[in-house]
Amino acid sequence: DAKTTQPNSMESNEEEPVHLPCNHSTISGTDYIHWYRQLPSQGPEYVIHGLTSNVNNRMASLAIAEDRKSSTLILHRATLRDAAVYYCILRHNAGNNRKLIWGLGTSLAVNP
Amino acid sequence: DTGVSQDPRHKITKRGQNVTFRCDPISEHNRLYWYRQTLGQGPEFLTYFQNEAQLEKSRLLSDRFSAERPKGSFSTLEIQRTEQGDSAMYLCASSSSGGGKNIQYFGAGTRLSVL
Repeated sequence: DAKTTQPNSMESNEEEPVHLPCNHSTISGTDYIHWYRQLPSQGPEYVIHGLTSNVNNRMASLAIAEDRKSSTLILHRATLRDAAVYYCILRHNAGNNRKLIWGLGTSLAVNP
Repeated sequence: DTGVSQDPRHKITKRGQNVTFRCDPISEHNRLYWYRQTLGQGPEFLTYFQNEAQLEKSRLLSDRFSAERPKGSFSTLEIQRTEQGDSAMYLCASSSSGGGKNIQYFGAGTRLSVL
Protein backbone atom coordinates (compact mmCIF):
# COMPACT_ATOMS: atom_id res chain seq x y z
CA ASP A 1 0.00 0.00 0.00
CA ALA A 2 1.33 3.41 -0.95
CA LYS A 3 2.11 5.67 2.02
CA THR A 4 1.55 9.33 2.76
CA THR A 5 3.68 11.78 4.74
CA GLN A 6 2.18 14.73 6.61
CA PRO A 7 3.52 17.21 9.17
CA ASN A 8 2.65 16.17 12.71
CA SER A 9 1.04 19.47 13.58
CA MET A 10 0.15 22.89 12.21
CA GLU A 11 -1.30 26.05 13.63
CA SER A 12 -3.55 28.66 12.11
CA ASN A 13 -5.45 31.75 13.11
CA GLU A 14 -9.21 31.97 12.87
CA GLU A 15 -10.56 33.28 9.55
CA GLU A 16 -7.21 32.78 7.78
CA PRO A 17 -6.62 30.18 5.03
CA VAL A 18 -4.88 26.94 5.94
CA HIS A 19 -2.82 24.81 3.57
CA LEU A 20 -2.27 21.25 4.78
CA PRO A 21 0.39 19.43 2.73
CA CYS A 22 0.68 15.72 1.98
CA ASN A 23 3.45 13.85 0.17
CA HIS A 24 2.69 10.57 -1.59
CA SER A 25 5.68 9.92 -3.82
CA THR A 26 4.82 6.22 -4.34
CA ILE A 27 1.28 6.87 -5.57
CA SER A 28 0.13 4.64 -8.41
CA GLY A 29 -2.01 5.62 -11.36
CA THR A 30 -5.21 4.16 -9.90
CA ASP A 31 -4.85 5.60 -6.37
CA TYR A 32 -7.40 8.19 -5.30
CA ILE A 33 -6.32 10.83 -2.78
CA HIS A 34 -8.79 11.07 0.09
CA TRP A 35 -8.85 13.49 3.02
CA TYR A 36 -10.70 12.82 6.25
CA ARG A 37 -10.64 14.71 9.50
CA GLN A 38 -11.32 13.65 13.06
CA LEU A 39 -12.59 16.09 15.62
CA PRO A 40 -11.87 15.36 19.29
CA SER A 41 -13.84 12.40 20.64
CA GLN A 42 -15.58 11.78 17.31
CA GLY A 43 -15.28 9.33 14.44
CA PRO A 44 -13.50 10.44 11.27
CA GLU A 45 -15.39 12.57 8.77
CA TYR A 46 -14.93 12.67 5.00
CA VAL A 47 -13.63 15.97 3.67
CA ILE A 48 -12.77 15.64 -0.01
CA HIS A 49 -11.12 13.37 -2.58
CA GLY A 50 -9.62 13.56 -6.04
CA LEU A 51 -7.67 11.67 -8.68
CA THR A 52 -5.84 14.14 -10.94
CA SER A 53 -7.71 17.43 -11.13
CA ASN A 54 -8.15 19.98 -8.38
CA VAL A 55 -11.45 19.62 -6.53
CA ASN A 56 -13.68 22.00 -4.60
CA ASN A 57 -16.58 21.32 -2.28
CA ARG A 58 -18.36 23.19 0.49
CA MET A 59 -15.80 22.13 3.09
CA ALA A 60 -12.48 22.58 1.34
CA SER A 61 -10.40 22.53 -1.84
CA LEU A 62 -7.91 19.89 -2.89
CA ALA A 63 -4.93 20.90 -5.02
CA ILE A 64 -3.12 17.97 -6.64
CA ALA A 65 0.37 18.36 -8.07
CA GLU A 66 0.79 17.64 -11.77
CA ASP A 67 2.95 14.57 -11.05
CA ARG A 68 0.46 13.52 -8.32
CA LYS A 69 3.27 13.00 -5.83
CA SER A 70 1.87 15.59 -3.47
CA SER A 71 -1.39 17.31 -2.66
CA THR A 72 -2.62 20.15 -0.47
CA LEU A 73 -5.88 20.45 1.41
CA ILE A 74 -7.01 24.06 1.57
CA LEU A 75 -9.41 25.40 4.17
CA HIS A 76 -10.29 28.84 2.88
CA ARG A 77 -11.23 30.41 6.21
CA ALA A 78 -10.36 28.43 9.30
CA THR A 79 -12.83 28.40 12.17
CA LEU A 80 -12.41 27.07 15.69
CA ARG A 81 -14.54 24.08 14.65
CA ASP A 82 -11.90 23.11 12.10
CA ALA A 83 -9.47 22.14 14.88
CA ALA A 84 -8.99 18.43 14.22
CA VAL A 85 -6.57 15.78 12.99
CA TYR A 86 -6.51 15.77 9.18
CA TYR A 87 -5.63 12.51 7.42
CA CYS A 88 -4.41 12.22 3.84
CA ILE A 89 -5.09 8.71 2.53
CA LEU A 90 -4.46 6.91 -0.73
CA ARG A 91 -7.21 4.54 -1.77
CA HIS A 92 -6.28 1.91 -4.33
CA ASN A 93 -9.13 1.62 -6.78
CA ALA A 94 -8.90 -1.97 -7.96
CA GLY A 95 -10.52 -5.29 -7.20
CA ASN A 96 -12.07 -5.71 -3.80
CA ASN A 97 -9.63 -3.33 -2.11
CA ARG A 98 -11.90 -0.88 -0.30
CA LYS A 99 -10.02 -0.32 2.94
CA LEU A 100 -8.40 2.97 3.88
CA ILE A 101 -4.80 2.91 5.12
CA TRP A 102 -4.33 5.75 7.62
CA GLY A 103 -1.15 7.50 8.71
CA LEU A 104 -0.72 9.70 11.77
CA GLY A 105 -2.30 12.78 10.20
CA THR A 106 -1.75 16.46 10.91
CA SER A 107 -3.14 17.92 14.11
CA LEU A 108 -4.47 21.39 13.26
CA ALA A 109 -4.82 23.97 16.01
CA VAL A 110 -6.86 27.10 15.28
CA ASN A 111 -6.19 30.18 17.38
CA PRO A 112 -9.00 32.66 18.07
CA ASP B 1 -30.26 9.36 7.09
CA THR B 2 -29.55 8.73 10.76
CA GLY B 3 -25.86 8.07 10.29
CA VAL B 4 -23.78 5.15 11.52
CA SER B 5 -24.70 4.07 15.01
CA GLN B 6 -22.46 2.13 17.39
CA ASP B 7 -23.36 0.54 20.69
CA PRO B 8 -22.17 0.74 23.38
CA ARG B 9 -20.21 3.98 23.36
CA HIS B 10 -18.04 2.82 26.21
CA LYS B 11 -17.21 -0.63 27.57
CA ILE B 12 -15.09 -1.48 30.59
CA THR B 13 -14.26 -5.12 31.09
CA LYS B 14 -11.86 -7.33 32.97
CA ARG B 15 -9.10 -9.21 31.24
CA GLY B 16 -10.30 -12.58 30.01
CA GLN B 17 -13.93 -11.56 29.51
CA ASN B 18 -15.71 -11.59 26.15
CA VAL B 19 -17.19 -8.42 24.70
CA THR B 20 -19.46 -7.74 21.73
CA PHE B 21 -19.99 -4.47 19.91
CA ARG B 22 -22.76 -3.61 17.49
CA CYS B 23 -22.76 -1.35 14.44
CA ASP B 24 -25.81 -0.18 12.52
CA PRO B 25 -24.74 1.30 9.17
CA ILE B 26 -26.55 3.86 7.07
CA SER B 27 -29.55 1.91 5.81
CA GLU B 28 -28.84 1.92 2.08
CA HIS B 29 -25.12 1.18 2.43
CA ASN B 30 -24.02 -2.32 1.43
CA ARG B 31 -20.41 -2.01 2.62
CA LEU B 32 -19.37 -2.06 6.26
CA TYR B 33 -15.92 -1.69 7.80
CA TRP B 34 -14.37 -2.13 11.23
CA TYR B 35 -11.29 -0.19 12.31
CA ARG B 36 -9.38 0.04 15.58
CA GLN B 37 -7.75 3.23 16.83
CA THR B 38 -5.35 3.67 19.73
CA LEU B 39 -4.41 7.00 21.27
CA GLY B 40 -2.36 9.21 18.97
CA GLN B 41 -2.61 6.84 16.02
CA GLY B 42 -4.74 6.77 12.91
CA PRO B 43 -7.41 4.09 12.54
CA GLU B 44 -6.19 0.59 11.58
CA PHE B 45 -8.29 -1.53 9.24
CA LEU B 46 -9.69 -4.73 10.75
CA THR B 47 -12.25 -6.15 8.35
CA TYR B 48 -14.72 -5.31 5.59
CA PHE B 49 -18.11 -6.68 4.49
CA GLN B 50 -20.00 -6.29 1.27
CA ASN B 51 -23.57 -7.22 2.11
CA GLU B 52 -23.22 -10.31 4.33
CA ALA B 53 -19.92 -11.48 2.84
CA GLN B 54 -16.71 -10.78 4.76
CA LEU B 55 -14.35 -9.93 1.91
CA GLU B 56 -11.17 -8.95 3.73
CA LYS B 57 -9.63 -9.45 7.16
CA SER B 58 -6.51 -7.80 8.47
CA ARG B 59 -3.72 -9.81 10.02
CA LEU B 60 -4.46 -7.68 13.09
CA LEU B 61 -7.67 -9.67 13.48
CA SER B 62 -6.44 -12.53 15.62
CA ASP B 63 -8.43 -15.71 16.29
CA ARG B 64 -9.93 -14.01 19.33
CA PHE B 65 -11.72 -11.53 17.08
CA SER B 66 -14.77 -12.39 15.00
CA ALA B 67 -17.08 -10.17 13.01
CA GLU B 68 -20.43 -10.98 11.48
CA ARG B 69 -23.00 -9.29 9.34
CA PRO B 70 -25.65 -12.00 9.10
CA LYS B 71 -28.35 -10.24 7.09
CA GLY B 72 -26.25 -7.65 5.36
CA SER B 73 -27.49 -4.93 7.68
CA PHE B 74 -26.06 -4.49 11.20
CA SER B 75 -22.74 -6.03 12.19
CA THR B 76 -21.22 -7.32 15.42
CA LEU B 77 -17.59 -7.48 16.46
CA GLU B 78 -16.78 -9.93 19.23
CA ILE B 79 -13.53 -10.12 21.14
CA GLN B 80 -13.01 -13.26 23.18
CA ARG B 81 -10.67 -13.54 26.19
CA THR B 82 -9.88 -9.82 26.13
CA GLU B 83 -6.34 -8.65 26.82
CA GLN B 84 -5.13 -5.24 27.98
CA GLY B 85 -3.70 -4.64 24.53
CA ASP B 86 -7.24 -4.75 23.13
CA SER B 87 -7.99 -1.43 24.81
CA ALA B 88 -8.77 0.96 21.98
CA MET B 89 -11.52 2.79 20.13
CA TYR B 90 -13.36 0.48 17.75
CA LEU B 91 -14.78 2.36 14.79
CA CYS B 92 -17.40 1.21 12.31
CA ALA B 93 -17.94 2.80 8.91
CA SER B 94 -20.27 2.18 6.00
CA SER B 95 -20.32 3.12 2.35
CA SER B 96 -22.30 2.56 -0.80
CA SER B 97 -20.92 0.68 -3.77
CA GLY B 98 -22.72 2.99 -6.17
CA GLY B 99 -21.06 5.97 -7.81
CA GLY B 100 -17.50 4.77 -7.29
CA LYS B 101 -16.68 7.33 -4.63
CA ASN B 102 -16.41 4.88 -1.74
CA ILE B 103 -16.86 7.65 0.80
CA GLN B 104 -16.89 6.02 4.22
CA TYR B 105 -19.18 7.36 6.92
CA PHE B 106 -18.04 6.66 10.45
CA GLY B 107 -19.83 6.12 13.71
CA ALA B 108 -18.66 7.72 16.95
CA GLY B 109 -16.97 4.50 18.00
CA THR B 110 -16.96 2.16 20.98
CA ARG B 111 -14.20 2.82 23.48
CA LEU B 112 -13.02 -0.41 25.12
CA SER B 113 -11.03 -0.41 28.33
CA VAL B 114 -9.65 -3.75 29.50
CA LEU B 115 -8.61 -3.74 33.16
